[in-house]
Amino acid sequence: QKEVEQDPGPLSVPEGAIVSLNCTYSNSAFQYFMWYRQYSRKGPELLMYTYSSGNKEDGRFTAQVDKSSKYISLFIRDSQPSDSATYLCAMSHAGAAGNKLTFGGGTRVLVKP
Amino acid sequence: NAGVTQTPKFQVLKTGQSMTLQCAQDMNHEYMSWYRQDPGMGLRLIHYSVGAGITDQGEVPNGYNVSRSTTEDFPLRLLSAAPSQTSVYFCASSQELRYDYGYTFGSGTRLTVV
Repeated sequence: QKEVEQDPGPLSVPEGAIVSLNCTYSNSAFQYFMWYRQYSRKGPELLMYTYSSGNKEDGRFTAQVDKSSKYISLFIRDSQPSDSATYLCAMSHAGAAGNKLTFGGGTRVLVKP
Repeated sequence: NAGVTQTPKFQVLKTGQSMTLQCAQDMNHEYMSWYRQDPGMGLRLIHYSVGAGITDQGEVPNGYNVSRSTTEDFPLRLLSAAPSQTSVYFCASSQELRYDYGYTFGSGTRLTVV
């Protein structure tokens, strides 16, 4: 079983809809949680960073962490065609050798005009 | 401010050849890492460095070497290329994770071994 599980999709939504993405994990030591966006043939780009549990909002993006359930979510409001990309969750913990990130496999999102 | 720069962007190697993938960052980050990305496997850590002169192995280190002689540069060497090393390679750098920065990734090197 992978340490971080993420549905590969694709997730197809109409423009303007809310995109809901999530990851589950098994390592209770994880305390840093990140969401990366990756466009085709590009490197991952940091979208959201959350420490421990709770919510964080940045513009159209909201990240949620529920450590008790080992579950994290990313919501994209008012989705745009430019949001079409693969979204990767990543996590780490204090003392992780070299700040190692453990990634989910990524969810491919398609926002249709 | 260029961030993380990787060269080359594309490379085709023959089995048994060696090569070096270059990575440079201009953010004065202490931590640097190399990941490979394969379909269905996500990103997996190859090697990492916590500062100049200090490197260590990640999840999938076999067939790769690294060195870190300066804070800025972290090259990845393929010793004797194999078809299983066909992948997209990403270099990344970061501050301590307690700072709200996460990792900055380069744009990747697409490597094909034939």
